[in-house]
Amino acid sequence: EAGVTQSPTHLIKTRGQQATLRCSPISGHTSVYWYQQALGLGLQFLLWYDEGEERNRGNFPPRFSGRQFPNYSSELNVNALELEDSALYLCASLRSGSSYNEQFFGPGTRLTVL
Amino acid sequence: AQSVTQLGSHVSVSEGALVLLRCNYSSSVPPYLFWYVQYPNQGLQLLLKYTTGATLVKGINGFEAEFKKSETSFHLTKPSAHMSDAAEYFCAVSDLRAAGNKLTFGGGTRVLVKP
Repeated sequence: EAGVTQSPTHLIKTRGQQATLRCSPISGHTSVYWYQQALGLGLQFLLWYDEGEERNRGNFPPRFSGRQFPNYSSELNVNALELEDSALYLCASLRSGSSYNEQFFGPGTRLTVL
Repeated sequence: AQSVTQLGSHVSVSEGALVLLRCNYSSSVPPYLFWYVQYPNQGLQLLLKYTTGATLVKGINGFEAEFKKSETSFHLTKPSAHMSDAAEYFCAVSDLRAAGNKLTFGGGTRVLVKP
């Protein structure tokens, strides 16, 4: 069974640009979570998508947005990039109705903002 | 709101020695608790989890953790460290009822294993 995949592996942008990160969940998983791992700030919850809808978001500005497609893959968009957006962005998936809450993580996309 | 505190951002152990990583949590409801490991330039891998039932939980790679409600703790141990255990370890809590499974992580503990 294929795991969670993310693309691209690395992304380099300049301030003010937009970044798009992609995530494909494990087959059969309908929930996708996004987390930011920034140096010095630890792992922080960004967004949760389930069945195509945004269900919850963390304490991030509106320029962080995303969507979930009918095949349950997801896209994270970061507009008007700032230097502090440089981080590893992790995607995780979960099978809805799972009684054990286990999220499976992808390898991450490392975003560097210059 | 939930929170997780990991004591010690860095831990150094000798190969063959006990590994003990401390985690304390705050939650208004019975939590689900997790330990994840992150190797350099990789995502997170689940080591073990506590949901209900037996409070001593065994995970992969010889790790185990004990849920102690009275101490609000979920410390991770391994009797004998191996060089391959060098990584960063994250304790996390989630509450299905409150926030739809989102994980709240501790700050992480980086483990260095000395030969």
